[in-house]
Amino acid sequence: KQEVTQIPAALSVPEGENLVLNCSFTDSAIYNLQWFRQDPGKGLTSLLLIQSSQREQTSGRLNASLDKSSGRSTLYIAASQPGDSATYLCAAPGYGGATNKLIFGTGTLLAVQP
Amino acid sequence: EAGVTQFPSHSVIEKGQTVTLRCDPISGHDNLYWYRRVMGKEIKFLLHFVKESKQDESGMPNNRFLAERTGGTYSTLKVQPAELEDSGVYFCASSQFSGSPYNEQFFGPGTRLTVL
Repeated sequence: KQEVTQIPAALSVPEGENLVLNCSFTDSAIYNLQWFRQDPGKGLTSLLLIQSSQREQTSGRLNASLDKSSGRSTLYIAASQPGDSATYLCAAPGYGGATNKLIFGTGTLLAVQP
Repeated sequence: EAGVTQFPSHSVIEKGQTVTLRCDPISGHDNLYWYRRVMGKEIKFLLHFVKESKQDESGMPNNRFLAERTGGTYSTLKVQPAELEDSGVYFCASSQFSGSPYNEQFFGPGTRLTVL
């Protein structure tokens, strides 16, 4: 059974700081892993999709890494801005053939202080 | 290109009533998913359609929930009768490829359901 854990649960940083959000998963036989952003009262915005054959994926100031052997993914945010404040979620496909359903972590609530 | 849309954005009903949520996926996406987040919990999978067929409904909580996708376009999720524990945010997602490394799911804004 796939389980996804995110740490920390909450993070507050001053503007301009680089930061790392962590995601771990129990079943390493995954096709991919997806990172999302959720703003209060809004839906989920897909940030990055890392395929199982990739080790990193970059989009602007965001860089996500995937290490299947250790069951870990990290989301690196460079030069953080107040507009980055949101909840960040990672999601991995479910276990044992049900690879289309996503299993979500509980998220990391990020606050970037101006 | 329009994203995933959901209607209504918010619904408040009394226990025992019926509510129907609607989701319009991104045009051309055969895969449609329903998820929900109840208070204080993580987002959980409900079911997955491929076109009009239910591919996986392992997350449906009980038989008070009925999902349909007639014609393989939009989908509805009906809750009848609604209970207090059904309150939460219901998300719909769609994707172009299933069961592959390219299966990126795109989510709608969600429907916030409040059962009083």
